[in-house]
Amino acid sequence: IAGITQAPTSQILAAGRRMTLRCTQDMRHNAMYWYRQDLGLGLRLIHYSNTAGTTGKGEVPDGYSVSRANTDDFPLTLASAVPSQTSVYFCASSDGGFDTGELFFGEGSRLTVL
Amino acid sequence: GQNIDQPTEMTATEGAIVQINCTYQTSGFNGLFWYQQHAGEAPTFLSYNVLDGLEEKGRFSSFLSRSKGYSYLLLKELQMKDSASYLCAVRDSNYQLIWGAGTKLIIKP
Repeated sequence: IAGITQAPTSQILAAGRRMTLRCTQDMRHNAMYWYRQDLGLGLRLIHYSNTAGTTGKGEVPDGYSVSRANTDDFPLTLASAVPSQTSVYFCASSDGGFDTGELFFGEGSRLTVL
Repeated sequence: GQNIDQPTEMTATEGAIVQINCTYQTSGFNGLFWYQQHAGEAPTFLSYNVLDGLEEKGRFSSFLSRSKGYSYLLLKELQMKDSASYLCAVRDSNYQLIWGAGTKLIIKP
């Protein structure tokens, strides 16, 4: 049982470089999310997708882009990385139902931008 | 603005009971969640409250008062493995989750 798989687990990146964080789920969930988690702050939503083919901006979208070509994959791209994007990134999914809407998280990608 | 407040850190003793509080001010309310996050790991779902009252699930219980904008997570018979951060999150009127910064719970023998 895989659930949600993120890659890479960790990465050190030079400022100005382009980086794509990969996220794949095998639960056939409609909704997927990208969050960043920084010390002392709550999880902050970067982008989301309610269903394949659609995406939306979250609380902190600047400098990030996403695509949702199919149900399973939801990559996050940093076009030109900056040090303030150093963070732990979590991909999550849910079935999109409004009874609980429990989120299932990947194990996270720790990104350091120098 | 929208805000979720919870204590930064709490310490408790193995075998005891601890209550972690969460207060919120959000644009609308469509449910409150508690997640557990061990250091270096992903958050995992613990509980969901949408109506006032207490929801019990084994050693963990979660309480909600919508009129007071208040919730707590109660952990009984604490075990060392309960050492983790506990995240409170509220789903607002747009069905977006607003997250607190988390409460780091330290369990001592």
